[in-house]
Amino acid sequence: QITLKESAPTLVKPTQTLTLTCTFSGFSLTSSGEGVGWIRQPPGKTLEWLALIFWDDDKRYRQSLHSRLTITKDTSKDQVVLTMTNMDPVDTATYYCAHFGLDKRAFDIWGQGTMVTVSS
Amino acid sequence: DIQMTQSPSTLSASIGDRVTITCRASQSFTSWLAWYQQKPGKAPKLLIYEASSLESGVPSRFSASGSGTEFTLTISSLQPDDFATYYCQQYESYPWTFGQGTKVEIK
Repeated sequence: QITLKESAPTLVKPTQTLTLTCTFSGFSLTSSGEGVGWIRQPPGKTLEWLALIFWDDDKRYRQSLHSRLTITKDTSKDQVVLTMTNMDPVDTATYYCAHFGLDKRAFDIWGQGTMVTVSS
Repeated sequence: DIQMTQSPSTLSASIGDRVTITCRASQSFTSWLAWYQQKPGKAPKLLIYEASSLESGVPSRFSASGSGTEFTLTISSLQPDDFATYYCQQYESYPWTFGQGTKVEIK
């Protein structure tokens, strides 16, 4: 059974760096075809894909945010970390991590999400 | 970027109704499309992948089809548990993009 859980501070100040951690179980990011992605959802708005990392360390980013995003994996801890620099109030959102498998090519299992507010 | 436009934005329906949601893409692609259901305060749940494949455990009243620029999600007989917001997402090219959502409400 695959599970994922996000952790992050609930409040960050403008210009600060946000570190989001996704801790997962039920699969390994050393196995071919596995990936973990990050998606966010501002209050009352639609979903926005941010970044994705694959088992082979291939990384993909939303181009419009690429300069602010870094995704990494720690296979010994079964964690994926996304850092977002220079936070702004418009980055206030619920941030989700999700499992991506090349077999289905879809985010089939999602974490519960973590709400991050950017405010001074 | 491929823009995904869903219609309608809101849909009012009754239990037992047949419901269809449409997702139109700004560029044509074959099958790398998924549909999700989201309830308030909850994470999205995968319903359909590869445009028409039903995710394991999802009721068979959900079906989907399409290719090119038009994709549809159909609920054959709306049940109380189906009142939620539905999103399409394309995986054809980066950045992966979602539609704006369709809220299915009780009539």
